[in-house]
Amino acid sequence: QKEVEQDPGPLSVPEGAIVSLNCTYSNSAFQYFMWYRQYSRKGPELLMYTYSSGNKEDGRFTAQVDKSSKYISLFIRDSQPSDSATYLCAMRINEKLTFGTGTRLTIIP
Amino acid sequence: SQTIHQWPATLVQPVGSPLSLECTVEGTSNPNLYWYRQAAGRGLQLLFYSVGIGQISSEVPQNLSASRPQDRQFILSSKKLLLSDSGFYLCAWSFQGLGIQYFGAGTRLSVL
Repeated sequence: QKEVEQDPGPLSVPEGAIVSLNCTYSNSAFQYFMWYRQYSRKGPELLMYTYSSGNKEDGRFTAQVDKSSKYISLFIRDSQPSDSATYLCAMRINEKLTFGTGTRLTIIP
Repeated sequence: SQTIHQWPATLVQPVGSPLSLECTVEGTSNPNLYWYRQAAGRGLQLLFYSVGIGQISSEVPQNLSASRPQDRQFILSSKKLLLSDSGFYLCAWSFQGLGIQYFGAGTRLSVL
């Protein structure tokens, strides 16, 4: 079993829809939880990070962590074509991150 | 503010040739530095990380090596490339003690 599981998609939704991206994990020692966005042939860029269970909002993005269920989510409201990218969840133990395999998202205009 | 530079962006090398990829960070001191390889559908695989000059930890035994000759410089090397070394290589940095990593633009390596 992988430490971090992420649905690879691909996921296609119409513009303006709410998008839900999810990861599950098995190691309860994970500390920080992060979401990265990666455009094709580019390096990942940090979208959001959180430490505790609950919700964290930043504009159209909401990160949700449920440590009891070992489950994290990223919600994108009012999705835009510019949101089309691969989204990677990541979780930290000490100085290292463990990444999900990424979900490829396409927003259809 | 901090910036990370990684070059070259694209590289095509024959099998058996040497490799040297360089990464530098500006605007901070004593960062943690990381090298990853990304293969399609397999996420990011941590290859090496460093918490200081000359301190390198290897995560995966392979045909590659890393060095940190200066505080903000991280180099990925190989003496003889294999076909299986093809991939997208990413350098990242973080503040000591914090988990958030910031990535460079990546190098796409094709070994032919």
